[in-house]
Amino acid sequence: AQSVTQLGSHVSVSEGALVLLRCNYSSSVPPYLFWYVQYPNQGLQLLLKYTSAATLVKGINGFEAEFKKSETSFHLTKPSAHMSDAAEYFCAVSEGKGYSSASKIIFGSGTRLSIRP
Amino acid sequence: EPEVTQTPSHQVTQMGQEVILRCVPISNHLYFYWYRQILGQKVEFLVSFYNNEISEKSEIFDDQFSVERPDGSNFTLKIRSTKLEDSAMYFCASSVQGSRSYEQYFGPGTRLTVT
Repeated sequence: AQSVTQLGSHVSVSEGALVLLRCNYSSSVPPYLFWYVQYPNQGLQLLLKYTSAATLVKGINGFEAEFKKSETSFHLTKPSAHMSDAAEYFCAVSEGKGYSSASKIIFGSGTRLSIRP
Repeated sequence: EPEVTQTPSHQVTQMGQEVILRCVPISNHLYFYWYRQILGQKVEFLVSFYNNEISEKSEIFDDQFSVERPDGSNFTLKIRSTKLEDSAMYFCASSVQGSRSYEQYFGPGTRLTVT
């Protein structure tokens, strides 16, 4: 079974500072990894995904993540935090049985990002 | 941009009552899913659905739960006799293909409160 672990349930940074949200994965097969964002009282929005094409993945809103197989990590970064980035961020891995079978998303426990003025 | 929609946004029900949560997936998507998030906890997979049948279900998805695609656009989750512990946010998702590389698009969720 595959899993993801998010280090830090709450991260607080100053506006303009670097954002780093940590995620480590466990997978017996090449993983497909995702970062989702959940703004207060809203649903889950895909930030970016890794599907083995490139190790550095760029997403929406200036976020990017780097897949490091040697470290089994997929950390999310943004060079300069904005107040609007305050949200819950979920790292996730997709687990499936085959091309035509439905996969399922396995989520990490989430990291709440707060931005200090 | 096409999106997954869910109704109602908030449902309050009494313990033991039946509830039906409704979802309209993206129109050309073929795979449908339900997830739930109990307050303060992680998002958990409930069930996947393809070609009018369940592909996979989690251990949470017991006999009290059922899913249905009653017509060409709706996808529903029914809880037959709600329990207090069913209180959660329920997310519907859809994808164009089922394999792992295809992203799932999530709806805004239905907050179910069981009293």
